[in-house]
Amino acid sequence: ETGVTQTPRHLVMGMTNKKSLKCEQHLGHNAMYWYKQSAKKPLELMFVYSLEERVENNSVPSRFSPECPNSSHLFLHLHTLQPEDSALYLCASSQDTGRANIQYFGAGTRLSVL
Amino acid sequence: AQSVTQLDSQVPVFEEAPVELRCNYSSSVSVYLFWYVQYPNQGLQLLLKYLSGSTLVKGINGFEAEFNKSQTSFHLRKPSVHISDTAEYFCAVKSWDGQNFVFGPGTRLSVLP
Repeated sequence: ETGVTQTPRHLVMGMTNKKSLKCEQHLGHNAMYWYKQSAKKPLELMFVYSLEERVENNSVPSRFSPECPNSSHLFLHLHTLQPEDSALYLCASSQDTGRANIQYFGAGTRLSVL
Repeated sequence: AQSVTQLDSQVPVFEEAPVELRCNYSSSVSVYLFWYVQYPNQGLQLLLKYLSGSTLVKGINGFEAEFNKSQTSFHLRKPSVHISDTAEYFCAVKSWDGQNFVFGPGTRLSVLP
């Protein structure tokens, strides 16, 4: 148990659906992250939030929309996804975005887009 | 910007044998180095980290890694592996200012009975 909880663990959706991924951290951290893990590819950083402000957006398509209502919760809203968006989506948190801070990861949401 | 290379995508090894998982990085600035482990159907868990000081770093589950600045390497070792060590292992590099955090492609360690 890392203190970072992601729901749902598995999600199957059609290309026209709208769904949301949820991440909650119980560590008192101020920074939260979304990563995409695809087969045979390195982990890709998607979004970074620090104190509920988005500080990094790595050229992610607009069909992915993050939301950070407070420092403990992070959402990833999904709409009109493509089959190539199927992947494991990992959430992480850290004390802040400072240099030596360790990121703690959730177990991920396995997303399948049909 | 940093980059991370993990030369072996898969490493099969018999139980109780030693193992080394290789990690090389490139960076124009000083870095911090990390190894994470991902067990099946789970997220990433920190194994160990090098921030400064002794170049030999000990982590959880009997793993250790050695930072070699001249060779820009941070290889992970364990003297005797168990079946339960079967997992994917990721090397990661963060720039000294914390602005870039890059993961390697991962090495799948399979421990055979």
